[in-house]
Amino acid sequence: GENVEQHPSTLSVQEGDSAVIKCTYSDSASNYFPWYKQELGKRPQLIIDIRSNVGEKKDQRIAVTLNKTAKHFSLHITETQPEDSAVYFCAAGAQGGKLIFGQGTELSVKP
Amino acid sequence: DAGITQSPRHKVTETGTPVTLRCHQTENHRYMYWYRQDPGHGLRLIHYSYGVKDTDKGEVSDGYSVSRSKTEDFLLTLESATSSQTSVYFCAISESRTGYREAFFGQGTRLTVV
Repeated sequence: GENVEQHPSTLSVQEGDSAVIKCTYSDSASNYFPWYKQELGKRPQLIIDIRSNVGEKKDQRIAVTLNKTAKHFSLHITETQPEDSAVYFCAAGAQGGKLIFGQGTELSVKP
Repeated sequence: DAGITQSPRHKVTETGTPVTLRCHQTENHRYMYWYRQDPGHGLRLIHYSYGVKDTDKGEVSDGYSVSRSKTEDFLLTLESATSSQTSVYFCAISESRTGYREAFFGQGTRLTVV
């Protein structure tokens, strides 16, 4: 069945450094790739998303890249801040509405 | 926040009993989802719905059933609860009119099976 693999499971960086989280997906019909941030005890919330006809998208300090041929996409956070500390999830969505998430990455930004 | 409400927010139940969780939305979104969240496993899709009475299985559907008799409500039933179903359950909704499918999550339901 459809699968989304996410790495690393934990990531620790110094404030100001960059953080990169990578995901691969198995369903070639996937055409929508969102990223969610979940703070402790809260619900996941969308931070950025990309469609399959776009290779890269940027929003201030966060960017997402997509390689459809290789079936992988990545989240890049630059100039990290302590408030970026959270669990990040990638997901892949296909026609028909199915939305599969990766296992999550716990990002810790040390002051 | 999108108008999505889960009930109950917390529940403790005994092994072998049936349990129903409710997700209610006021956004008239087409798609509704049930996920479970467990440490190390992320968000795993249980079932989802793409319209009234239209549902499909997700990654971990065994032991769960769903029903959607009207647009605003999506019910998740644990037919006979087991300790392995202790988890945090999230409902989500999305609409794809624009081609995007941003999913909005409910607050979550913490279920403990003892």
